[in-house]
Amino acid sequence: DAEITQSPRHKITETGRQVTLACHQTWNHNNMFWYRQDLGHGLRLIHYSYGVQDTNKGEVSDGYSVSRSNTEDLPLTLESAASSQTSVYFCASSTAIRREQFFGPGTRLTVL
Amino acid sequence: QKEVEQNSGPLSVPEGAIASLNCTYSDRGSQSFFWYRQYSGKSPELIMSIYSNGDKEDGRFTAQLNKASQYVSLLIRDSQPSDSATYLCAVVGNAGNMLTFGGGTRLMVKP
Repeated sequence: DAEITQSPRHKITETGRQVTLACHQTWNHNNMFWYRQDLGHGLRLIHYSYGVQDTNKGEVSDGYSVSRSNTEDLPLTLESAASSQTSVYFCASSTAIRREQFFGPGTRLTVL
Repeated sequence: QKEVEQNSGPLSVPEGAIASLNCTYSDRGSQSFFWYRQYSGKSPELIMSIYSNGDKEDGRFTAQLNKASQYVSLLIRDSQPSDSATYLCAVVGNAGNMLTFGGGTRLMVKP
């Protein structure tokens, strides 16, 4: 069955370290998205991609980067982790035509 | 003003009752509307999508859209304790494929 996976599911890191969260989908969706979810802020868009080699900044992109080298993967990198980036991160994907997004299981990141 | 607004709740209903969840949005050009259900500690799960004015029914769920008044609602008939979750309203604006989410309404269905 087609699916969207995220790894790791839980990560603890230290301030200043570089961290990469993986997202992999087997639906062959063109569009991929990264969100963070925090109490009091809901789901906020970090970065998104409409296809290979395409990346765009979302609402809260500072301190994060993405790259899209193939259809299946959109890794999210925290260049220098900060305590403010402690959050739950969700990856999502959708087709180019329909706008329904399907979410991965999430990664809980703690920055100490 | 937030672009997509929901009452945070909790909304408490007895088992078997109808739960009514509401959402308003500010972008008059919005075209696509979605309801997601999120259980505690889990990811959002798409349960309904609606694109045109009126009602759309799927099992116990009915989505209602009124573009003139800029609101979308979700009715859950015969509510079950397993429906207890946070319900997120999401809207796609006039441009692009990005979802803007409301803060969610927490629903509690009591046996």
